[in-house]
Amino acid sequence: QKEVEQNSGPLSVPEGAIASLNCTYSDRGSQSFFWYRQYSGKSPELIMFIYSNGDKEDGRFTAQLNKASQYVSLLIRDSQPSDSATYLCAVNNNDMRFGAGTRLTVKP
Amino acid sequence: NAGVTQTPKFRILKIGQSMTLQCTQDMNHNYMYWYRQDPGMGLKLIYYSVGAGITDKGEVPNGYNVSRSTTEDFPLRLELAAPSQTSVYFCASSSGGAFTGELFFGEGSRLTVL
Repeated sequence: QKEVEQNSGPLSVPEGAIASLNCTYSDRGSQSFFWYRQYSGKSPELIMFIYSNGDKEDGRFTAQLNKASQYVSLLIRDSQPSDSATYLCAVNNNDMRFGAGTRLTVKP
Repeated sequence: NAGVTQTPKFRILKIGQSMTLQCTQDMNHNYMYWYRQDPGMGLKLIYYSVGAGITDKGEVPNGYNVSRSTTEDFPLRLELAAPSQTSVYFCASSSGGAFTGELFFGEGSRLTVL
């Protein structure tokens, strides 16, 4: 069984802080990893993807991947109230498995 | 471009009724997917298609059927609706290989079975 696990939260951070979202996966053959943001009542939208071990930065967002530990994370720097949403981790190995998501609240 | 369009956005069904959720994409993507999302749960793959005429089961296909007669359309058919099918359904599409790139999602269809 391929599992993708996330802490459901809610994770609450003050505006301007760093939000750290974590995801673990069970299938060692997984090849690519995605972070989607989903606002309440809306559809998911891609924020970042990462294929190789290490860090990948895009603006305020950094994705980190450690395949040996089967762990992927998303850091959001200078968090804004508009970042308040549910963040879904998705893992690809011949299909796309999603975690249940972590609900993030950024307080002004 | 409209992207991925789903209809209807909301629907209430009685137990045992059938219906079709429509999905159309105008991005000329070969790959299309149907997911369901239950409260507090991740997206679960129902069916997917790698091109016109080709479909395959995902993680939770029971109670559903699909067809892919054109590149643009990928309808999801619910036969004999059951309360367990109450969910939000998302259609998605992608280019490149199956599941290898960004999924573009429709706005979702919220289905309630009473």
